[in-house]
Amino acid sequence: QVQLQESGPGLVKPSETLSLTCTVSGGSVSIGTYYWSWIRQPPGKGLEWIGYIYYSGSTNYSPSLKSRVTISVDTSKNQFSLKLSSVTTADTAVYYCARVYYGSGSYLIDYWGQGTLVTVSS
Amino acid sequence: DIQMTQSPSSLSASVGDRVTITCRASQTISSYLNWYQQKPGKAPKLLIYATSSLQSGVPSRFSGSGSVTDFTLTINSLQPEDFATYYCQQSYSTPPELTFGGGTKVEIK
Repeated sequence: QVQLQESGPGLVKPSETLSLTCTVSGGSVSIGTYYWSWIRQPPGKGLEWIGYIYYSGSTNYSPSLKSRVTISVDTSKNQFSLKLSSVTTADTAVYYCARVYYGSGSYLIDYWGQGTLVTVSS
Repeated sequence: DIQMTQSPSSLSASVGDRVTITCRASQTISSYLNWYQQKPGKAPKLLIYATSSLQSGVPSRFSGSGSVTDFTLTINSLQPEDFATYYCQQSYSTPPELTFGGGTKVEIK
């Protein structure tokens, strides 16, 4: 059973960089069938896709966040990470890491982490 | 960018009711449409993928249909555990962008 676990600071100051890591267990980030993604959800609001990375290191980011986002992968640790720069209070959200699978004609998210709340505040 | 619009944003229904949620894409997305269920404080759960395929373990009262730009999630005979928020998600573009709809909250009448 694949499990994903987010880790990182729960409080970040405005203008600083938010950094989170997702540790994958029960599966490998190096398997080519999957992409590894970050998704966020502001309190009381809907889901927003941030971006994803392939094991090779290729990435794709949401156009609205592209200028501030970096996603990287560490295959030796079976982890992938998110950096979001120049944060504001609008970046306060629950951040989820997730596995994206391409199969049966769709890119679908089949496994999610439990989510971690990151608050941007001075 | 492809935009996804869900309607209604919320609805009230009773146990046993049939519920229909719609999702409209701003341009064609073929059948690249998935549905998720989210309960408070929990991560979303995949229900339907590729418009109409039921994810393993999901009850058969859930079904999906549609094509091109208009899609529907139907819940037949609503159960107490189905009260939740539902999201559609597209992945049509190349490379794919995983755009979500705004969500539909299903509440108890």
